[in-house]
Amino acid sequence: DQQVKQNSPSLSVQEGRISILNCDYTNSMFDYFLWYKKYPAEGPTFLISISSIKDKNEDGRFTVFLNKSAKHLSLHIVPSQPGDSAVYFCAGMDSNYQLIWGAGTKLIIKP
Amino acid sequence: GAVVSQHPSRVICKSGTSVKIECRSLDFQATTMFWYRQFPKQSLMLMATSNEGSKATYEQGVEKDKFLINHASLTLSTLTVTSAHPEDSSFYICSATGTGGFYNEQFFGPGTRLTVL
Repeated sequence: DQQVKQNSPSLSVQEGRISILNCDYTNSMFDYFLWYKKYPAEGPTFLISISSIKDKNEDGRFTVFLNKSAKHLSLHIVPSQPGDSAVYFCAGMDSNYQLIWGAGTKLIIKP
Repeated sequence: GAVVSQHPSRVICKSGTSVKIECRSLDFQATTMFWYRQFPKQSLMLMATSNEGSKATYEQGVEKDKFLINHASLTLSTLTVTSAHPEDSSFYICSATGTGGFYNEQFFGPGTRLTVL
């Protein structure tokens, strides 16, 4: 049973436009949600998190929205830049600090 | 932000040998460290969770005698792949979470690419 789902394996966006990466989850006990960015052959880099008691968190070009009733979160990147091309993982964190990962979405920013 | 390092970044070894991978938290005390393995085209798989000073908790299907984890201090955890075989070749990543302001986030190391010949 996949507790965290990223249904889009890949996403292509024009440079300068908004990138929206989606994530759905089934476990209502997650305390936090985190987004990570990963380049090939490197470890994931933490991007932004959101507490389950909030519905929005913003950090520069990155904003994460959480809709608890729909069990859905999204990461918005605006404006998208070529360096944003990477694989993005969303993860839910439970009270034991365990991360449950989605399968990732490959974001391609076109010049 | 918090920094986690891994050493070595790449290692090549012969089948049957053992390889040790270090994971260090550089500027915070890591009360809990996690070890992940990444398979090609798949997301990360959690192998084990270790708390400082206690035995690691392994995920189902992970051989604890093959993947030895030691978390002897608040800044260092090691993963030893014993009697490595080609199927153990993978990308191993550690992460750490700690006290104070670092308790609600995992900070990841850069990963170690293991190739077993």
